[in-house]
Amino acid sequence: DGGITQSPKYLFRKEGQNVTLSCEQNLNHDAMYWYRQDPGQGLRLIYYSQIVNDFQKGDIAEGYSVSREKKESFPLTVTSAQKNPTAFYLCASSIQTGTGNQPQHFGDGTRLSIL
Amino acid sequence: AQSVAQPEDQVNVAEGNPLTVKCTYSVSGNPYLFWYVQYPNRGLQFLLKYITGDNLVKGSYGFEAEFNKSQTSFHLKKPSALVSDSALYFCAVERGDDKIIFGKGTRLHILP
Repeated sequence: DGGITQSPKYLFRKEGQNVTLSCEQNLNHDAMYWYRQDPGQGLRLIYYSQIVNDFQKGDIAEGYSVSREKKESFPLTVTSAQKNPTAFYLCASSIQTGTGNQPQHFGDGTRLSIL
Repeated sequence: AQSVAQPEDQVNVAEGNPLTVKCTYSVSGNPYLFWYVQYPNRGLQFLLKYITGDNLVKGSYGFEAEFNKSQTSFHLKKPSALVSDSALYFCAVERGDDKIIFGKGTRLHILP
């Protein structure tokens, strides 16, 4: 079955540590996205990528970094510069049409906590 | 600027009763609107979308949504609620370049 796989499901970060969240999709989608979900705040866009080897900052990119070396993969690194990383992180993908009328498909998230 | 609002943090409905989850939007031009559902510790699942055409859009699991241009609303509805419909519901609007703005979510409780 096609879908998006996020790993790990739970992750703990120590002070001063960088951690990387994995996101893999086999839907052959061009566009991929990373969101942060906090209670009562909905989803906020961290980074997005519309094509391999290219990505753009979203609304809350500070303290995060990404790469897009393969179409299927869009890993997110939460750096030590992100002072409040505790959240639920969601990866999504969509068909790239340029019209904005395609829904996004989501993984089941990674819950990151501070040790 | 594009925006979307869900005025209710929580909605409680008795099982078997009709349900409505409200959404209003602000966009320039013709809106692309979406509803998603999220179950605990899971990602979002797409329910339905409005692009153009009929104002009543039918989606998954018996849900439908009514687009009202004059009231800039896109309310989610279901004629008869099930306990299994209890979840967090997000309204979303396309903001350009295949990016979407999500509302803050409405928690739906269906009471048995």
